[in-house]
Amino acid sequence: EIVLTQSPDTLSLSPGERATVSCRASQSVRGNYLAWHQQKPGQAPRLLISGASNRAPDIPDRFSGSGSETDFTLAISRLEPEDFAVYYCQQYGTSPWTFGQGTKVEI
Amino acid sequence: EVQLVESGGGLVQPGRSLRLSCATSGFTFDDYAMHWVRQPPGKGLEWVSGITWNSGTIAYADSVKGRFTVSRDNAKNSLHLQMNNLRPEDTAFYYCVKDRGPLHLGEFRFWGQGALVTVSA
Repeated sequence: EIVLTQSPDTLSLSPGERATVSCRASQSVRGNYLAWHQQKPGQAPRLLISGASNRAPDIPDRFSGSGSETDFTLAISRLEPEDFAVYYCQQYGTSPWTFGQGTKVEI
Repeated sequence: EVQLVESGGGLVQPGRSLRLSCATSGFTFDDYAMHWVRQPPGKGLEWVSGITWNSGTIAYADSVKGRFTVSRDNAKNSLHLQMNNLRPEDTAFYYCVKDRGPLHLGEFRFWGQGALVTVSA
């Protein structure tokens, strides 16, 4: 199975700053089928990005995804208070579908 | 509005069984593949099982293969997960998740709120 490794584990930033989360795959992700999900405390995850760079409906444009093959990035251009959460990358190019371990973006 | 509502969670002893259900609304259920994804409290996410729109393709994570069975009832817009021979490591929130389309694509478009299953003596 494809192992996804995110870095860093925790990102400590202030509102208004830029956040960058990395996701590295143990092998090439077929079709760049890489998604990013956001999870706030006590809530279910929510899809942010699919296909490495396509924002899901109603996701603000301060969220962007990039990358290909084995290296992917989620960027949040200017952090809003509601963006402090845990972010997971997930590949769906090769079954079984797998997730990264998560990156906590904290104040 | 898409809604996925899980039910059937609770406390169960090791070796016993439990059946989760997911009631859906707000979309044409039989147009979409569905999945179960779990998350141990305070930990990361793990895909458990997926089923295509017509139940033609069903897949399981190795960790649950032979113990869990996924099914769907398109007439009742519902998804189920029969969990047998439960182990303490199965303790987790179980999320019902809607795929992007009818096939087993793995693109997790919408998540339910989750049901907690606790396996303990």
